[in-house]
Amino acid sequence: NAGVTQTPKFRVLKTGQSMTLLCAQDMNHEYMYWYRQDPGMGLRLIHYSVGEGTTAKGEVPDGYNVSRLKKQNFLLGLESAAPSQTSVYFCASGAGTVYNEQFFGPGTRLTVL
Amino acid sequence: AQTVTQSQPEMSVQEAETVTLSCTYDTSENNYYLFWYKQPPSRQMILVIRQEAYKQQNATENRFSVNFQKAAKSFSLKISDSQLGDTAMYFCAFIHPASQKLVFGQGTRLTINP
Repeated sequence: NAGVTQTPKFRVLKTGQSMTLLCAQDMNHEYMYWYRQDPGMGLRLIHYSVGEGTTAKGEVPDGYNVSRLKKQNFLLGLESAAPSQTSVYFCASGAGTVYNEQFFGPGTRLTVL
Repeated sequence: AQTVTQSQPEMSVQEAETVTLSCTYDTSENNYYLFWYKQPPSRQMILVIRQEAYKQQNATENRFSVNFQKAAKSFSLKISDSQLGDTAMYFCAFIHPASQKLVFGQGTRLTINP
């Protein structure tokens, strides 16, 4: 049982390049989330999904797109990376229970030059 | 909108001491849940403790306990007999069951000195 995994762990991009971050969970959770973590700002929700084929915007969605084609996978895309997107990105999943405990992946450190 | 505030960016104590981290939140909801997450240098987010708003009794997990004051919208974390392994960022977080979305505070960087 691997829990929540993220690929890649580190990435460096040049401004304007594109990339996709992959999140996978093996806990059969309905809910999946993408956060970004910046110094002094905690974790902020980018996009989330309440089930296969569904996505919704979070607090800071601009510049990102997501897809949930399979229940176990949640992809985060950057079409044209900007230095402001330099951050650590976390994926999380949850079963959607009353308190919806979320399980986090190990994070991806992205640097945009 | 719900907000969570951690007013202590950094704290430092000696090993074996007790330390309390502060958290306040703002919500108009009556039914919700509060969490403390720990993020060690490995970056992994680890759930430390959870409190249901409808429960008056404060949650406890071994050396970790909370002081939940619903009327004051305050949710502090107390770490007793602190250990070097407690060195980490600590995040307070709020969730309302209907939204299923966590709202995090800014975090407190805790250092335990030998």
